[in-house]
Amino acid sequence: GENVEQHPSTLSVQEGDSAVIKCTYSDSASNYFPWYKQELGKGPQLIIDIRSNVGEKKDQRIAVTLNKTAKHFSLHITETQPEDSAVYFCAASEGGGGADGLTFGKGTHLIIQP
Amino acid sequence: GAVVSQHPSRVICKSGTSVKIECRSLDFQATTMFWYRQFPKQSLMLMATSNEGSKATYEQGVEKDKFLINHASLTLSTLTVTSAHPEDSSFYICSARDLGQGNEKLFFGSGTQLSVL
Repeated sequence: GENVEQHPSTLSVQEGDSAVIKCTYSDSASNYFPWYKQELGKGPQLIIDIRSNVGEKKDQRIAVTLNKTAKHFSLHITETQPEDSAVYFCAASEGGGGADGLTFGKGTHLIIQP
Repeated sequence: GAVVSQHPSRVICKSGTSVKIECRSLDFQATTMFWYRQFPKQSLMLMATSNEGSKATYEQGVEKDKFLINHASLTLSTLTVTSAHPEDSSFYICSARDLGQGNEKLFFGSGTQLSVL
């Protein structure tokens, strides 16, 4: 099955700086890679996703890059703000509506220092 | 994005009682819903896949008689923790696919914090 590794487990950056979270996956059949943001005591919120036919996707301050050859993808947050503080999870799946859902990374606790 | 509503957000119960958690897709139909369990500072662990009109599929190690899942309609799935014990205390989260936004997009409920005394 799929195995998703996520690094770092904790990331502290100064407000206004950029943050990068990296994930690798093992199953070359995976073709859908979402990122979720989870605030304390709440469910994960989908913030951006990318499919394997695209190398990069951007949405305002958030961007995701995908290197299918190397089987890794990254989340980039620019001009970080205090409200960006949360736990971020990457995930991978083969998509296509399969019943297996997603395989999640272990999460990155992002701390934005004022 | 699509909205998944989960209730209750927090429940405290005595050991031995049963607790029901509801998960509703508010603006879309979901033939498949997923139930996850999350311990503090850990990732989400898939417990079971809930299929509308049929039996749920449980992950290895998850007791189906302990965690009863019912998916009676295209917008509602329920998870019942039967005869709850302190070790069942955890954060339970449901999710559903909005097929209208592509097969892969998974949206989560707000979670239920279960505390068993």
